[in-house]
Amino acid sequence: DAKTTQPNSMESNEEEPVHLPCNHSTISGTDYIHWYRQLPSQGPEYVIHGLTSNVNNRMASLAIAEDRKSSTLILHRATLRDAAVYYCILRDVNTGNQFYFGTGTSLTVIP
Amino acid sequence: GAGVSQSPSNKVTEKGKDVELRCDPISGHTALYWYRQSLGQGLEFLIYFQGNSAPDKSGLPSDRFSAERTGGSVSTLTIQRTQQEDSAVYLCASSTDSRQPYYEQYFGPGTRLTVT
Repeated sequence: DAKTTQPNSMESNEEEPVHLPCNHSTISGTDYIHWYRQLPSQGPEYVIHGLTSNVNNRMASLAIAEDRKSSTLILHRATLRDAAVYYCILRDVNTGNQFYFGTGTSLTVIP
Repeated sequence: GAGVSQSPSNKVTEKGKDVELRCDPISGHTALYWYRQSLGQGLEFLIYFQGNSAPDKSGLPSDRFSAERTGGSVSTLTIQRTQQEDSAVYLCASSTDSRQPYYEQYFGPGTRLTVT
């Protein structure tokens, strides 16, 4: 599986937008970009996914670079509940059905 | 609706004992995954089931680990002769269909295993 690189940690003020970056320079044309987050003492939960175009849902937005070698998860207004570890994952069923989660970015939201 | 459930939520066992961890996936989900997460680490894939196909066991760390899925629903992860390095949170996830790369996984709350 192509791997992803994320910063270990980030901080944001409450009510401010947060941009969480992810690099995936070896992404293949059939890799989907998924984002999950894991709140303390819970299992991961799905946030958003995309292939080529930017995506929006009720939780977040996903901005994908034109060359697809990077992407950014955007939380429009961070709340205390958004404090979690955010994982950027590539998924291509041609190379395996497991997700490679890596260590993610630990987001701290400051009140 | 009901999500993925796992039992027990916590398990403390002595080194050398066998343990069984259970996962009840979301009804109708054909794909089921097991992961483990050691303290402060990311998730490590263990095994995956898709329908009636042979499971992908490529992530199992040793032959002490095995898993089965009965009737395409409930799954049991068995660890034989537990070691202290097996201590971790074991997470189960299910998905509508793993054969497409855009389906999301739904995770259970995990079982925290402590081997003393």
